[in-house]
Amino acid sequence: NAGVTQTPKFQVLKTGQSMTLQCAQDMNHEYMSWYRQDPGMGLRLIHYSVGAGITDQGEVPNGYNVSRSTTEDFPLRLLSAAPSQTSVYFCASSVLLRTTEAFFGQGTRLTVV
Amino acid sequence: GENVEQHPSTLSVQEGDSAVIKCTYSDSASNYFPWYKQELGKRPQLIIDIRSNVGEKKDQRIAVTLNKTAKHFSLHITETQPEDSAVYFCAARGSNFGNEKLTFGTGTRLTIIP
Repeated sequence: NAGVTQTPKFQVLKTGQSMTLQCAQDMNHEYMSWYRQDPGMGLRLIHYSVGAGITDQGEVPNGYNVSRSTTEDFPLRLLSAAPSQTSVYFCASSVLLRTTEAFFGQGTRLTVV
Repeated sequence: GENVEQHPSTLSVQEGDSAVIKCTYSDSASNYFPWYKQELGKRPQLIIDIRSNVGEKKDQRIAVTLNKTAKHFSLHITETQPEDSAVYFCAARGSNFGNEKLTFGTGTRLTIIP
Protein backbone atom coordinates (compact mmCIF):
# COMPACT_ATOMS: atom_id res chain seq x y z
CA ASN A 1 0.00 0.00 0.00
CA ALA A 2 1.95 3.02 -1.28
CA GLY A 3 -0.69 5.69 -0.44
CA VAL A 4 -0.50 8.75 -2.71
CA THR A 5 2.40 8.87 -5.16
CA GLN A 6 3.38 12.02 -7.01
CA THR A 7 5.94 12.37 -9.78
CA PRO A 8 8.24 14.11 -10.42
CA LYS A 9 9.56 15.52 -7.13
CA PHE A 10 11.35 18.41 -8.82
CA GLN A 11 10.90 20.06 -12.21
CA VAL A 12 12.25 23.12 -13.96
CA LEU A 13 10.32 24.42 -16.97
CA LYS A 14 10.84 27.24 -19.38
CA THR A 15 8.03 29.74 -19.86
CA GLY A 16 5.59 28.41 -22.41
CA GLN A 17 6.45 24.75 -21.97
CA SER A 18 3.80 22.22 -21.02
CA MET A 19 4.01 19.32 -18.65
CA THR A 20 1.93 16.87 -16.62
CA LEU A 21 2.26 16.24 -12.92
CA GLN A 22 1.30 12.70 -12.08
CA CYS A 23 -0.72 11.57 -9.05
CA ALA A 24 -1.76 8.02 -8.25
CA GLN A 25 -3.38 6.47 -5.18
CA ASP A 26 -3.97 2.85 -4.29
CA MET A 27 -6.54 3.31 -1.51
CA ASN A 28 -9.62 3.28 -3.77
CA HIS A 29 -10.42 6.86 -2.74
CA GLU A 30 -13.19 8.56 -4.69
CA TYR A 31 -12.03 12.10 -3.87
CA MET A 32 -8.77 13.42 -5.33
CA SER A 33 -7.50 16.96 -5.46
CA TRP A 34 -4.60 19.21 -6.40
CA TYR A 35 -3.29 22.06 -4.25
CA ARG A 36 -0.56 24.58 -4.75
CA GLN A 37 1.41 25.91 -1.81
CA ASP A 38 2.95 29.35 -1.88
CA PRO A 39 4.60 31.18 1.04
CA GLY A 40 2.02 32.84 3.27
CA MET A 41 -0.92 31.59 1.22
CA GLY A 42 -1.48 28.12 2.60
CA LEU A 43 -2.79 25.32 0.44
CA ARG A 44 -5.02 26.57 -2.35
CA LEU A 45 -7.26 24.17 -4.22
CA ILE A 46 -6.66 24.02 -7.99
CA HIS A 47 -8.99 21.23 -9.18
CA TYR A 48 -10.70 18.28 -7.59
CA SER A 49 -12.57 15.14 -8.55
CA VAL A 50 -15.28 13.15 -6.80
CA GLY A 51 -14.91 10.10 -9.03
CA ALA A 52 -13.83 8.82 -12.42
CA GLY A 53 -15.09 11.08 -15.18
CA ILE A 54 -16.01 13.93 -12.78
CA THR A 55 -13.83 16.98 -12.19
CA ASP A 56 -14.45 20.50 -10.96
CA GLN A 57 -12.58 23.72 -10.41
CA GLY A 58 -11.20 24.87 -7.12
CA GLU A 59 -10.03 28.29 -6.01
CA VAL A 60 -7.17 28.82 -8.52
CA PRO A 61 -7.88 26.74 -11.69
CA ASN A 62 -6.58 29.07 -14.40
CA GLY A 63 -3.69 27.65 -16.41
CA TYR A 64 -4.31 24.07 -15.28
CA ASN A 65 -6.29 21.15 -16.68
CA VAL A 66 -7.19 17.84 -15.10
CA SER A 67 -8.85 14.60 -16.08
CA ARG A 68 -9.93 11.53 -14.14
CA SER A 69 -10.20 8.49 -16.39
CA THR A 70 -9.63 5.98 -13.57
CA THR A 71 -10.20 5.95 -9.81
CA GLU A 72 -6.44 5.67 -9.20
CA ASP A 73 -5.00 8.49 -11.34
CA PHE A 74 -5.51 12.25 -11.35
CA PRO A 75 -2.92 14.05 -13.52
CA LEU A 76 -2.50 17.83 -13.51
CA ARG A 77 -1.54 19.48 -16.81
CA LEU A 78 0.12 22.83 -17.21
CA LEU A 79 -0.70 23.92 -20.73
CA SER A 80 1.74 26.85 -21.12
CA ALA A 81 3.87 27.33 -18.02
CA ALA A 82 4.25 30.83 -16.57
CA PRO A 83 6.58 32.08 -13.80
CA SER A 84 3.48 32.64 -11.62
CA GLN A 85 3.03 28.86 -11.58
CA THR A 86 6.30 28.39 -9.70
CA SER A 87 5.11 26.64 -6.56
CA VAL A 88 4.99 23.39 -4.64
CA TYR A 89 2.14 21.17 -5.79
CA PHE A 90 0.43 18.57 -3.63
CA CYS A 91 -2.02 15.90 -4.61
CA ALA A 92 -4.38 14.62 -1.92
CA SER A 93 -7.00 11.91 -1.77
CA SER A 94 -9.70 10.79 0.64
CA VAL A 95 -12.89 8.87 1.00
CA LEU A 96 -15.81 10.93 -0.31
CA LEU A 97 -18.69 12.25 1.78
CA ARG A 98 -17.27 10.96 5.04
CA THR A 99 -15.40 12.83 7.71
CA THR A 100 -12.08 11.12 7.25
CA GLU A 101 -8.46 12.01 6.77
CA ALA A 102 -7.06 13.27 3.47
CA PHE A 103 -3.71 11.77 2.49
CA PHE A 104 -1.09 13.83 0.69
CA GLY A 105 1.54 12.93 -1.85
CA GLN A 106 5.14 13.99 -1.24
CA GLY A 107 4.82 17.10 -3.38
CA THR A 108 6.32 18.43 -6.61
CA ARG A 109 8.52 21.52 -6.52
CA LEU A 110 8.04 23.29 -9.84
CA THR A 111 10.13 26.22 -11.02
CA VAL A 112 9.22 28.11 -14.18
CA VAL A 113 12.00 30.29 -15.58
CA GLY B 1 -17.90 28.24 -0.86
CA GLU B 2 -16.14 27.64 2.41
CA ASN B 3 -13.64 30.21 3.71
CA VAL B 4 -11.23 29.35 6.51
CA GLU B 5 -9.25 32.01 8.33
CA GLN B 6 -6.32 31.11 10.57
CA HIS B 7 -4.44 33.17 13.17
CA PRO B 8 -1.72 33.92 13.99
CA SER B 9 0.47 33.48 10.93
CA THR B 10 3.57 33.10 13.10
CA LEU B 11 3.92 32.08 16.72
CA SER B 12 6.99 31.72 18.92
CA VAL B 13 6.78 30.12 22.35
CA GLN B 14 9.30 29.05 24.95
CA GLU B 15 9.88 25.34 25.23
CA GLY B 16 7.49 23.91 27.80
CA ASP B 17 4.87 26.64 27.33
CA SER B 18 1.55 26.19 25.54
CA ALA B 19 0.64 27.24 22.00
CA VAL B 20 -2.82 28.05 20.68
CA ILE B 21 -3.81 28.47 17.03
CA LYS B 22 -7.29 29.64 16.08
CA CYS B 23 -9.42 29.19 12.96
CA THR B 24 -12.82 30.36 11.86
CA TYR B 25 -14.97 28.95 9.06
CA SER B 26 -17.87 30.34 7.10
CA ASP B 27 -19.99 27.37 5.95
CA SER B 28 -22.29 26.15 8.71
CA ALA B 29 -22.67 22.86 6.80
CA SER B 30 -18.99 21.99 7.39
CA ASN B 31 -18.76 19.12 9.85
CA TYR B 32 -15.16 17.93 9.78
CA PHE B 33 -12.19 19.95 11.01
CA PRO B 34 -8.70 18.43 10.69
CA TRP B 35 -5.36 19.89 11.69
CA TYR B 36 -2.25 19.15 9.67
CA LYS B 37 1.41 19.57 10.59
CA GLN B 38 3.97 20.22 7.89
CA GLU B 39 7.66 19.97 8.62
CA LEU B 40 10.14 21.69 6.34
CA GLY B 41 10.24 20.04 2.93
CA LYS B 42 7.66 17.42 3.87
CA ARG B 43 4.04 16.75 3.05
CA PRO B 44 1.23 17.85 5.40
CA GLN B 45 0.24 15.11 7.84
CA LEU B 46 -2.85 14.84 10.00
CA ILE B 47 -2.22 15.32 13.71
CA ILE B 48 -5.75 15.55 15.06
CA ASP B 49 -9.28 16.07 13.80
CA ILE B 50 -12.70 16.80 15.24
CA ARG B 51 -16.21 16.22 13.99
CA SER B 52 -19.10 18.57 14.53
CA ASN B 53 -20.87 16.32 17.03
CA VAL B 54 -17.95 16.72 19.46
CA GLY B 55 -16.82 19.84 21.33
CA GLU B 56 -13.32 18.79 22.31
CA LYS B 57 -10.83 16.07 21.53
CA LYS B 58 -7.45 15.33 23.11
CA ASP B 59 -4.49 13.23 22.09
CA GLN B 60 -1.64 13.41 24.59
CA ARG B 61 -0.22 16.97 24.38
CA ILE B 62 -2.53 18.21 21.63
CA ALA B 63 -6.20 19.08 21.82
CA VAL B 64 -8.76 20.65 19.54
CA THR B 65 -11.89 22.53 20.57
CA LEU B 66 -14.87 23.36 18.39
CA ASN B 67 -17.55 26.01 18.86
CA LYS B 68 -20.19 25.38 16.19
CA THR B 69 -22.29 28.37 17.15
CA ALA B 70 -19.42 30.79 16.69
CA LYS B 71 -17.94 28.73 13.83
CA HIS B 72 -14.47 28.59 15.22
CA PHE B 73 -12.06 25.86 16.30
CA SER B 74 -8.67 25.91 17.95
CA LEU B 75 -5.56 23.77 18.31
CA HIS B 76 -3.88 23.62 21.69
CA ILE B 77 -0.40 22.22 22.21
CA THR B 78 0.81 21.88 25.80
CA GLU B 79 4.34 21.34 27.13
CA THR B 80 5.80 22.30 23.76
CA GLN B 81 8.97 20.62 22.57
CA PRO B 82 11.49 21.55 19.84
CA GLU B 83 10.01 18.91 17.53
CA ASP B 84 6.71 20.81 17.59
CA SER B 85 8.33 23.49 15.42
CA ALA B 86 6.54 23.30 12.06
CA VAL B 87 3.78 24.90 10.01
CA TYR B 88 0.26 23.99 11.16
CA PHE B 89 -2.81 24.15 8.93
CA CYS B 90 -6.44 23.99 9.91
CA ALA B 91 -9.07 22.87 7.42
CA ALA B 92 -12.80 22.35 7.05
CA ARG B 93 -15.03 20.19 4.89
CA GLY B 94 -18.58 18.90 4.73
CA SER B 95 -20.07 15.50 3.94
CA ASN B 96 -22.54 16.49 1.24
CA PHE B 97 -22.09 17.09 -2.47
CA GLY B 98 -21.38 20.77 -2.82
CA ASN B 99 -19.30 21.11 0.34
CA GLU B 100 -17.06 18.05 -0.02
CA LYS B 101 -13.98 20.15 -0.79
CA LEU B 102 -11.27 20.33 1.87
CA THR B 103 -10.52 24.03 2.42
CA PHE B 104 -7.38 25.07 4.29
CA GLY B 105 -6.38 28.07 6.33
CA THR B 106 -3.23 29.98 5.44
CA GLY B 107 -1.06 28.26 8.04
CA THR B 108 0.76 29.13 11.27
CA ARG B 109 4.52 28.85 11.52
CA LEU B 110 5.20 27.69 15.09
CA THR B 111 8.70 28.10 16.47
CA ILE B 112 9.66 26.58 19.81
CA ILE B 113 12.45 28.50 21.51
CA PRO B 114 14.76 26.22 23.54
